[in-house]
Amino acid sequence: NAGVTQTPKFQVLKTGQSMTLQCAQDMNHEYMSWYRQDPGMGLRLIHYSVGAGITDQGEVPNGYNVSRSTTEDFPLRLLSAAPSQTSVYFCASSSSVNEQFFGPGTRLTVL
Amino acid sequence: AQSVTQLGSHVSVSEGALVLLRCNYSSSVPPYLFWYVQYPNQGLQLLLKYTSAATLVKGINGFEAEFKKSETSFHLTKPSAHMRDAAEYFCAVNLQGAQKLVFGQGTRLTINP
Repeated sequence: NAGVTQTPKFQVLKTGQSMTLQCAQDMNHEYMSWYRQDPGMGLRLIHYSVGAGITDQGEVPNGYNVSRSTTEDFPLRLLSAAPSQTSVYFCASSSSVNEQFFGPGTRLTVL
Repeated sequence: AQSVTQLGSHVSVSEGALVLLRCNYSSSVPPYLFWYVQYPNQGLQLLLKYTSAATLVKGINGFEAEFKKSETSFHLTKPSAHMRDAAEYFCAVNLQGAQKLVFGQGTRLTINP
């Protein structure tokens, strides 16, 4: 099993550009989540999904969109990137809410 | 609303010394509690979890944590630090049945030779 995979590993964007961060898992997990990690702030939940076709907002959803058309994939879209979105983004999946498995992260810089 | 506070953003101990990383939570109902570890340039890995069974929880790599309801704490300990324990540690909480984790700010553990 590959577990949770994320692409790309690194990305540099200009302000106003859009992009999609990819996340996939091969463990048939129902729960998937996106977090951002900023120094001194831990991880903050952006969006999450409890199954295909079902998504909900987390703590910091503004500026991000998600969709969940399949169990395996949970892409995160930045519609118009801003410098405040410079961060490390982690995707996680879980068969229950109790233990989440994290991907390796995507380091995003917005200039 | 539930929240997690980790006391000390940076903890430094000598190799072989006791490791103590502090975590306090606030929750109106009994929570589930977790400790995750993040090694440099990697994702998070679960160390241990408390899910309302035994209050003393043993995890991987010799770590353990004790749930103390009266103190609303879930401190992480290891009797003897090893160089490979150098990492950042995160405490997290979620309400039983809730769909999301709330993380503390993280504590960076440094091990001195």
